Amino acid sequence: AQSVTQLDSHVSVSEGTPVLLRCNYSSSYSPSLFWYVQHPNKGLQLLLKYTSAATLVKGINGFEAEFKKSEPSFHLTKPSAHMSDAAEYFCVVSEWIWGAGTKLIIKP
Amino acid sequence: EAGVAQSPRYKIIEKRQSVAFWCNPISGHATLYWYQQILGQGPKLLIQFQNNGVVDDSQLPKDRFSAERLKGVDSTLKIQPAKLEDSAVYLCASSLGADYFREQYFGPGTRLTVT
Repeated sequence: AQSVTQLDSHVSVSEGTPVLLRCNYSSSYSPSLFWYVQHPNKGLQLLLKYTSAATLVKGINGFEAEFKKSEPSFHLTKPSAHMSDAAEYFCVVSEWIWGAGTKLIIKP
Repeated sequence: EAGVAQSPRYKIIEKRQSVAFWCNPISGHATLYWYQQILGQGPKLLIQFQNNGVVDDSQLPKDRFSAERLKGVDSTLKIQPAKLEDSAVYLCASSLGADYFREQYFGPGTRLTVT
């Protein structure tokens, strides 16, 4: 069986500081992995996806995620937070198994 | 290109009533998904279509929910009769379906309130 756990329901960071959103997953095989973002009153949008070509995946808006098979995890990072990053972020395994989401709050 | 269209955007009904949602995917997308997103939770897949056929409906409460995809394009999701716990946002998504690592494109969703 496959599962996904987003370790933090809320993450609060100051503008200009690094962002780390944590995602652990369980799978009996090497799955596809995605991060989606949902801005308030907007639709879900793909940030990035892991396709087994490289363990470090770069996405839109300066986000990236690293696939670590040993943990196993697919944490999302960004070097410097911007106010426009305030949103809810979802980690997804194999397209249809969604985490509960992490709400990212950016303090000015 | 036009995105995924959904209607209505909002719906308020009383429990035991019926309701239907409509979705028009991106042109050429073979795969269509319906999700239920309860407030504070991640989306839960209800049903996945590949063209006309159902790929996965294991989490669809079949005693009250039904879905169809006519001619492999538009889709409708119906709830009959509705319960209070069906209050949620119903999301439709589509993808090309050409490979395993396929990106899903989401519509704006229909917010259902059951009173």
